[in-house]
Amino acid sequence: KAGVTQTPRYLIKTRGQQVTLSCSPISGHRSVSWYQQTPGQGLQFLFEYFSETQRNKGNFPGRFSGRQFSNSRSEMNVSTLELGDSALYLCASSWSGGGPTEAFFGQGTRLTVV
Amino acid sequence: LAKTTQPISMDSYEGQEVNITCSHNNIATNDYITWYQQFPSQGPRFIIQGYKTKVTNEVASLFIPADRKSSTLSLPRVSLSDTAVYYCLVGDIGDNYGQNFVFGPGTRLSVLP
Repeated sequence: KAGVTQTPRYLIKTRGQQVTLSCSPISGHRSVSWYQQTPGQGLQFLFEYFSETQRNKGNFPGRFSGRQFSNSRSEMNVSTLELGDSALYLCASSWSGGGPTEAFFGQGTRLTVV
Repeated sequence: LAKTTQPISMDSYEGQEVNITCSHNNIATNDYITWYQQFPSQGPRFIIQGYKTKVTNEVASLFIPADRKSSTLSLPRVSLSDTAVYYCLVGDIGDNYGQNFVFGPGTRLSVLP
């Protein structure tokens, strides 16, 4: 059974640009959540999608957005990148959601903003 | 919003039992306690979850006292491969968890030979 796949694994962008990250959940999982991990702030919840609808949202500005497709694959977009957006972005999938409870995480996309 | 407090780091030796305690004084009635393990450059991995008393699975035990204001993750006979960061998470596992799941800084466990 394939795990959660995130692409790309590494990304370097310039301030002001935008970026799109992709997450393919485990087959059959309908919930996809996104997290940002930085050395200073730790792991922070961004948002969760379930059946193509955003069901939960963390405390991040509107520059951070996402969507989920009918096949449960999800994308996260960050517009007008700032240096502080440099982080490891993690995606987690689960059957029905309910927080990171027995969720399966991908290996993450490491974004560097220069 | 339940916040958690854990030791920043711990050292142990191979073969020893390791106990990591997490404090969550304002845990709510509907909150569950979940522990995750994270290796460098990987996403967190679920270890164990509980609501009260004791839960045991093939890799760990979780002890939760009656007042639920703290919990202890117990790792029996650790090996070098258990070196990782361990996160204690407290939150409602219902569908509308929103911002309620907060990962603290975690405990960096170093297992020495």
